[in-house]
Amino acid sequence: QQQVKQSPQSLIVQKGGISIINCAYENTAFDYFPWYQQFPGKGPALLIAIRPDVSEKKEGRFTISFNKSAKQFSLHIMDSQPGDSATYFCAASRVTGSSNTGKLIFGQGTTLQVKP
Amino acid sequence: DAGVTQSPTHLIKTRGQQVTLRCSPKSGHDTVSWYQQALGQGPQFIFQYYEEEERQRGNFPDRFSGHQFPNYSSELNVNALLLGDSALYLCASSLERGNTDTQYFGPGTRLTVL
Repeated sequence: QQQVKQSPQSLIVQKGGISIINCAYENTAFDYFPWYQQFPGKGPALLIAIRPDVSEKKEGRFTISFNKSAKQFSLHIMDSQPGDSATYFCAASRVTGSSNTGKLIFGQGTTLQVKP
Repeated sequence: DAGVTQSPTHLIKTRGQQVTLRCSPKSGHDTVSWYQQALGQGPQFIFQYYEEEERQRGNFPDRFSGHQFPNYSSELNVNALLLGDSALYLCASSLERGNTDTQYFGPGTRLTVL
């Protein structure tokens, strides 16, 4: 019940295209869903995050879509650029209440390659 | 504003040895979490420290221990190293207040066990 499943494992997109990465979770107690971007040799960097009280959040070219009933959320990268080539991780945690806070459960990651 | 810093950057040890990794949280943050990231995998939660106490622990053996100091910096200790402990060890810091779990990660320490 603690798993977060991420797909696809790898993705190749042409410059200017839309990159879509999907995640599914099982634990309905999760109430915080961030996406992280990681370049080789670096730590993960927070891209964007969403709480389950909204269905969509947009920041620049990055959008999270959230479907509470399906227990799924996705990252859309619009106008993908070669500089977006990195590994992307979805994650989930519970931030409210007294138990199980602070523990991020990560997906397996998606390696994105944006071709010029 | 300094972000999360970790030391050392790289470390090579042999089986059975002990290792200590260090982390300084982002300025103003009071909570430190440690994660292990094996090659090609997502980070796995080891434990979290707040107010100098281990608040939550993931599915890691007692060989993994930690400490948080009054200045909020933290150490991760691993005893009796195994080959399978080879990984990138990430420290993340956050602020306890505000019902948010925004965690900022450091660059990590790459541990190789031979």
